[in-house]
Amino acid sequence: DAGVIQSPRHEVTEMGQEVTLRCKPISGHDYLFWYRQTMMRGLELLIYFNNNVPIDDSGMPEDRFSAKMPNASFSTLKIQPSEPRDSAVYFCASSIWDMKETQYFGPGTRLLVL
Amino acid sequence: AQSVAQPEDQVNVAEGNPLTVKCTYSVSGNPYLFWYVQYPNRGLQFLLKYITGDNLVKGSYGFEAEFNKSQTSFHLKKPSALVSDSALYFCAVRDSGGYQKVTFGTGTKLQVIP
Repeated sequence: DAGVIQSPRHEVTEMGQEVTLRCKPISGHDYLFWYRQTMMRGLELLIYFNNNVPIDDSGMPEDRFSAKMPNASFSTLKIQPSEPRDSAVYFCASSIWDMKETQYFGPGTRLLVL
Repeated sequence: AQSVAQPEDQVNVAEGNPLTVKCTYSVSGNPYLFWYVQYPNRGLQFLLKYITGDNLVKGSYGFEAEFNKSQTSFHLKKPSALVSDSALYFCAVRDSGGYQKVTFGTGTKLQVIP
């Protein structure tokens, strides 16, 4: 399996622009997670889905952030409008509901908002 | 509410010496405990976990961790450190009675000195 795929790997944009991050989870996984990692705040869970349905979005920082999962093989995290403080590495992870509950992380998208 | 603490921001150890990375947790029920490792510019990778059973858990790359219920700890250990073990290590916890929301610690940077 190719693992969790994220695109783009790097994104540089200007303040006010819309940013869309994409994730393809591992086939057969029914949970998908979006995380943000910064030096100041560490690893933060933004939102997670189960069977394409958002379960907990309490970590989404503001209304500027939105996430969708239109089908089992694709999810997006959108920031509109973007701000410099959104600069971070955004990770997508997926897992299957079984005894192991291991999360498999993608390589991340490094976002820089100027 | 569940929480996890990694009291050390950084741990330095000489190559060949044993290493320990500390983790304590708090949950209302029984814990599921995890260790993940993050190499530079990469996503998190699963190392090992405790769900139930033997308190000593063995994982990837020669790492092991001991679950201590009375001390609410889950310290990561390795008998002989390698330079290639240098990375950022995350402890994570989930209450066995909850949903699939895992709480990650702030991470401990392990530096193995040649």
